[in-house]
Amino acid sequence: GENVEQHPSTLSVQEGDSAVIKCTYSDSASNYFPWYKQELGKGPQLIIDIRSNVGEKKDQRIAVTLNKTAKHFSLHITETQPEDSAVYFCAALSSGTYKYIFGTGTRLKVLA
Amino acid sequence: DTEVTQTPKHLVMGMTNKKSLKCEQHMGHRAMYWYKQKAKKPPELMFVYSYEKLSINESVPSRFSPECPNSSLLNLHLHALQPEDSALYLCASSHYNSGSRTDTQYFGPGTRLTVL
Repeated sequence: GENVEQHPSTLSVQEGDSAVIKCTYSDSASNYFPWYKQELGKGPQLIIDIRSNVGEKKDQRIAVTLNKTAKHFSLHITETQPEDSAVYFCAALSSGTYKYIFGTGTRLKVLA
Repeated sequence: DTEVTQTPKHLVMGMTNKKSLKCEQHMGHRAMYWYKQKAKKPPELMFVYSYEKLSINESVPSRFSPECPNSSLLNLHLHALQPEDSALYLCASSHYNSGSRTDTQYFGPGTRLTVL
């Protein structure tokens, strides 16, 4: 079945450094790729998304890149801050479906 | 505004109790979702409603009973749960597109359920 691999499972960076999280999907029909941030005790919050007709999208310190040929997409966070510490989930969604296929999550720790 | 609200925040229930979880959104979304999330795992889809009709049931046990009384509200009725049902229950909503169906899901804060 469809799956999304997410790496790394944990990531520690110094404050001010960059963080990169990568996801690889299997379903070639996937055309929408959101990223969610989940803080402890809270629900997932959408932080950025990208559709398959775009290669890159940026929103301030956060960017997402998509390589459709290789079926992978990545989250890039620059100038990390302690409040960026959370679990990040990638997901893939295919046209005509409701079901997100989630990655397994990355626990990001930003060390002050 | 992209807010989905859920009540209660926390719920402790015995295996013989009946309780309900509530979810509300006022974004005009016509698709609403229930997810279950265990610790350190991604959310797992349970049910999808589109235009107040159940579209997807991901083979969820009948002790979980969803209800969508109107376009803004989604309930999850719980009965005779097991301790392994303890988890964070998340509600989400999205626009519904009859063609692609694809659209962004916005999640609520969740209800932390403990079954004793």
